[in-house]
Amino acid sequence: DTEVTQTPKHLVMGMTNKKSLKCEQHMGHRAMYWYKQKAKKPPELMFVYSYEKLSINESVPSRFSPECPNSSLLNLHLHALQPEDSALYLCASSHLTGLTDTQYFGPGTRLTVL
Amino acid sequence: GENVEQHPSTLSVQEGDSAVIKCTYSDSASNYFPWYKQELGKGPQLIIDIRSNVGEKKDQRIAVTLNKTAKHFSLHITETQPEDSAVYFCAASIRTYKYIFGTGTRLKVLA
Repeated sequence: DTEVTQTPKHLVMGMTNKKSLKCEQHMGHRAMYWYKQKAKKPPELMFVYSYEKLSINESVPSRFSPECPNSSLLNLHLHALQPEDSALYLCASSHLTGLTDTQYFGPGTRLTVL
Repeated sequence: GENVEQHPSTLSVQEGDSAVIKCTYSDSASNYFPWYKQELGKGPQLIIDIRSNVGEKKDQRIAVTLNKTAKHFSLHITETQPEDSAVYFCAASIRTYKYIFGTGTRLKVLA
């Protein structure tokens, strides 16, 4: 089973709202990722968690706040977003084998910021 | 810097024909090359991958070839079907966590 689940599927929020995106995997993967994907573009890496610790932050604005409560869950907390933050937010996970690992993506959350 | 070029950006083929998508990477240290298929409104799905110690890999109608000297790798889909219509992304990775994605190819299979 190579399934990564994400909720919600769609989210519409105002610029003053606070919301959270959730991601879950039960494959025993120890690395989890957040990507942002704009229309007709490839995914852009935002954050990487390795063994529940933040390993990579690709200079993402502080209005995006990731959290990894345990090895199966990954959250992305959103606050004071801008309309240009509207995009598909993808979660991915991978093993940590010491080699370059295959990343498995979830279905994404389609975010619209009004 | 690290870069992956992907061509063509769009590709239309008749059902039953073959489709080829090509990628070129810049960093010779790249050692892992996955291909993802993304259907409308869905996340990328891994369809095949290859490591730098292998020249070719095949899985039913899908194959990937790697030329390390030229820093090229290609996706080959034979006997295309309408359900193959999607956007395909190549990627190259030189270290844990970090993929460099190509710009994507929109494949349309015409029935």
